[in-house]
Formats: sequence, structure tokens, C-alpha cells
Amino acid sequence: LAKTTQPISMDSYEGQEVNITCSHNNIATNDYITWYQQFPSQGPRFIIQGYKTKVTNEVASLFIPADRKSSTLSLPRVSLSDTAVYYCLVVPYSGAGSYQLTFGKGTKLSVIP
Amino acid sequence: KAGVTQTPRYLIKTRGQQVTLSCSPISGHRSVSWYQQTPGQGLQFLFEYFSETQRNKGNFPGRFSGRQFSNSRSEMNVSTLELGDSALYLCASSSVEGNYGYTFGSGTRLTVV
Repeated sequence: LAKTTQPISMDSYEGQEVNITCSHNNIATNDYITWYQQFPSQGPRFIIQGYKTKVTNEVASLFIPADRKSSTLSLPRVSLSDTAVYYCLVVPYSGAGSYQLTFGKGTKLSVIP
Repeated sequence: KAGVTQTPRYLIKTRGQQVTLSCSPISGHRSVSWYQQTPGQGLQFLFEYFSETQRNKGNFPGRFSGRQFSNSRSEMNVSTLELGDSALYLCASSSVEGNYGYTFGSGTRLTVV
């Protein structure tokens, strides 16, 4: 399983765009990059997933360069409710096969009013 | 549609006792995984069930076991509880088709005294 490295913590003011970068140098050809958000005493929530280039949904954007050795989660105009821990995961594609999610320490984002 | 439901939400047990936690996945999801979250170790994979069969297992002692029923509901059991078993236990379900995002429940907070 590819190991991921991301900053332990980040601070941002409300209304700013936040970019969290994750490094995954050993990513395999069939691996996807997935991001989860977790609030205290709740389960992680799936945010976005991508394989290459750019993916955007109603919550965030995910930028993946051509070499796929890193990825950047972009949260537009954060609010206080975006204060949470964000996890970057590399998930192997296995069709209908079995796989487990390997969580690192995540990035604790604190949004300041 | 309803999310992943875990019961009970909170539980207090005494050392040496056993405990059973329940998880009802999203309707139609056949894969159910269990995770343990502690402040020191973070999120750790316990096991995954698919169609009543354990497909993948994490690095936990045999005191941790689980099962899945024909309706995809799952239970996990911890026998001979130790203080170190105090944690947030999370269940996640997935359709394992196309989108590989797991949906997590809110967890069961187990305290062993």
C-alpha cells in the first residue's frame, strides 16, 4: 500500500481557499486517490476521489499532476464548519475485490473567524 | 436513503467482559468494514465482510471477531475486554462497484473500566 504524507495541521481564515497537499511517491498504476473528512466523535466522510488531472464536486476539487506522486485537495471559501481532520488515502483498484482503507494521521484544519 | 446505522452509540463495560456491536449498512451495500479509532493509533482496519464472508482482516488479536448476516447487517464482538480496547468503533459500508467511497457510521464509543 502506498504511504501518504500530509501536513499535521493547517490554519485558515474564514472565506479563504485552502489547499492541502498530500505526497504519495509510491503510488501504483491502479491506485486511486481519495480524501475523507472527519469531525470529532463522528465517522469519516468521503469527500472526493480521483485518478489523474482534476476532479471537482460540490464540496471540493482534487488536483493530481501527471506523475501522480502528489495530490492537492482544494476547499473553496472555507467556513468554521470546515474545521475537521482531512485524510488523504491511496486506494487500490480491485474491481469487486476486497481492500482496506489505510488512514494516516491526517491534516487537522482549523478555520479561524 | 438511510445511512450506516451503528448501535449502541455509547457503551461502558468492565474489564474481562465481552461486548457486541451492531452495524446496519446502507441498503444495497454488501461490503461492511470495521475500524477502531484511538487517539494514539488513529484509525485502524479490523476486518471486512462481503456476502457473509470475511474477506480481509487487520492486525488485531483473536479477541476481535465479527460476522455478517444474509441481509448484510454485521456485528463485531470483543471478548475479554481490556482497558486498551476503549475506542471509537466505526463501521463502513460500500457498494464496491464504481465509486469506491466508503460511507461510515457515527460509531460506537466503547469505554472499558
